[in-house]
Amino acid sequence: KAGVTQTPRYLIKTRGQQVTLSCSPISGHRSVSWYQQTPGQGLQFLFEYFSETQRNKGNFPGRFSGRQFSNSRSEMNVSTLELGDSALYLCASSLVAGVQYNEQFFGPGTRLTVL
Amino acid sequence: AQSVTQLDSQVPVFEEAPVELRCNYSSSVSVYLFWYVQYPNQGLQLLLKYLSGSTLVKGINGFEAEFNKSQTSFHLRKPSVHISDTAEYFCAVSERAAGNKLTFGGGTRVLVKP
Repeated sequence: KAGVTQTPRYLIKTRGQQVTLSCSPISGHRSVSWYQQTPGQGLQFLFEYFSETQRNKGNFPGRFSGRQFSNSRSEMNVSTLELGDSALYLCASSLVAGVQYNEQFFGPGTRLTVL
Repeated sequence: AQSVTQLDSQVPVFEEAPVELRCNYSSSVSVYLFWYVQYPNQGLQLLLKYLSGSTLVKGINGFEAEFNKSQTSFHLRKPSVHISDTAEYFCAVSERAAGNKLTFGGGTRVLVKP
């Protein structure tokens, strides 16, 4: 079974631009979560989607948004990019989302550099 | 809200020596506990997890961790490391009733020396 796929793997943008990152979960998985990883702040939860609905959200400004499609693929968008948005963006998928434990599988990430 | 503290940012260790990575957490509710490993330019891989039951948890690649509720700790150990264990290790928690949201510690970089 193929793992979690993230595209693109590397991206360079300039301040003020917007960017869209894509995540394809493992086949059959319906929950997708996004994380930002930076040297200063570490790994921080952005949001989680399940069945096309945002289920949980971290403490990020409104410039960060996401969505999930009917095939469970997810995209996240960052508008008006700032230098501090340079980070590795990780996506994780799991079968479902709920009160029971569901193992999450992480993709390789998208490395975003903002100049 | 929960928080996770990894007490060592870097741990140098010689090959075939034991290693212990320390993790403490705080939470007002019941949590699940995890250790993940990240190799350079890769995503996170689950090493082991504590959900309930036995406090000693065994994971992949010879790692194990012990959950100590009174000390709110979840330390990771390996009796004999290999060069290939050079990586960054993350301790994480999730609230039992909060779905898949993970809160991570700051990470511990392990450098295994020959």
